[in-house]
This record gives sequence, C-alpha cells and structure tokens, in this order.
Amino acid sequence: AQSVTQLGSHVSVSEGALVLLRCNYSSSVPPYLFWYVQYPNQGLQLLLKYTSAATLVKGINGFEAEFKKSETSFHLTKPSAHMSDAAEYFCAVSANQAGTALIFGKGTTLSVSS
Amino acid sequence: GAVVSQHPSRVICKSGTSVKIECRSLDFQATTMFWYRQFPKQSLMLMATSNEGSKATYEQGVEKDKFLINHASLTLSTLTVTSAHPEDSSFYICSAVDWDREFNYGYTFGSGTRLTVV
Repeated sequence: AQSVTQLGSHVSVSEGALVLLRCNYSSSVPPYLFWYVQYPNQGLQLLLKYTSAATLVKGINGFEAEFKKSETSFHLTKPSAHMSDAAEYFCAVSANQAGTALIFGKGTTLSVSS
Repeated sequence: GAVVSQHPSRVICKSGTSVKIECRSLDFQATTMFWYRQFPKQSLMLMATSNEGSKATYEQGVEKDKFLINHASLTLSTLTVTSAHPEDSSFYICSAVDWDREFNYGYTFGSGTRLTVV
C-alpha cells in the first residue's frame, strides 16, 4: 500500500526566500511521485513527477524535487519564492502501475509575504 | 500537453435533484479516469475509478447508487449526483491517466466543479 505524509500544513516564507515543502512516502513497490499545485477553486496543476529515472527532478516555475530512497522523501524546493507561488501544494504517490489512483498527502499551504 | 476539460465549473441545485458533471480528455484517449471529492481546506479523497466500457470501481464508503459514474467513451466520463442533499455540496475533481514521450504515465486533472445543494 502507498501513503504520503506532508510535514507542515502551513509554510510561510518571505518573497525571495527558499521554499522547502516536505513529503515522505511509503510504498511497497517502486513508486511514482508527484507534486501538484492548486489555486483556490481550481483543479490541480502538475509541478513535477518522479518516474524512477533521474533522482533530481526539475519542474515548472523553478521548482525541483529530489527523490531520496534511503530517507523515503521527495521534498519540493524553490530557490526564491515569488508572491505568485502562494497556493496549496499536494504531494502524491502512485504504485508503479498505470491505472492505479494517486494517493494524496493532506497538502501544505504556502504563504509568501512581501 | 494533455488537457482535461471539466464542466460545469459551478452548479447550484435544489435538494432532491440530480446533477451531472462531465470530464473530457481533449487531446488524448483516457482509458482510465478518477473522480475525487475535496472538502474545504482538505486533501482530495478518491471516490471511484472509471474504466472505459466497464463498471466503475468505488472506494469504500462511497454510495454507488448516489454517485453514478459512466465512462462510455475513451474521452468522456460523467459523474451524476442523484437526489442531491446539502451534505453532497463539495468540490469534485476528475483526473485522467495520460502518457508522456518517455512512455511514463501521469495524471491530468480537470478544473473542478463546485457543487452547492440548497
């Protein structure tokens, strides 16, 4: 079975500061891992995904995440936060099998102050 | 990239009526689609998995007679909330499995439907 734990339901940073959103996963099989962003009353937009290729994954809008098997982590980072990054972020895991549903973490709200 | 169109984006209906939500894959064929429900400030809860041409698989605790899912074609899945009640008010989001150029699968989401039952 797969599960995801997002540490910190709310993260606040200043504009220009490093963004770090934490995600730990549990999976009985090699996982696919995803980060999505959600703005109010909108669907989810894919930021990046890990599919067992390179462990450092670069995504859109300057985000990246590193898959660390030894730590069962897939933390999301961005070197410099923008005001437009304020949103809800979800980490999700899928068994390495197409057709299985994504399992989501509880989400982390990112606030960016000027 | 893959696009999933979900309609309507907002709907208000009277208690006891039924509402249909459509989810279309615009530029790819979606053999498998998923329906999620999201409560305010919470994560997405999987309701059911929809496979084209077969019956949907519902998660434990989801009433299949209340939330009717039809996946009649490779580009369209529908969720019908029957005899809606105020407690069915929520944000519903669909998702479809897609494939990238490296033959890795992924998930594209619709923009969601805000259902309010009055």
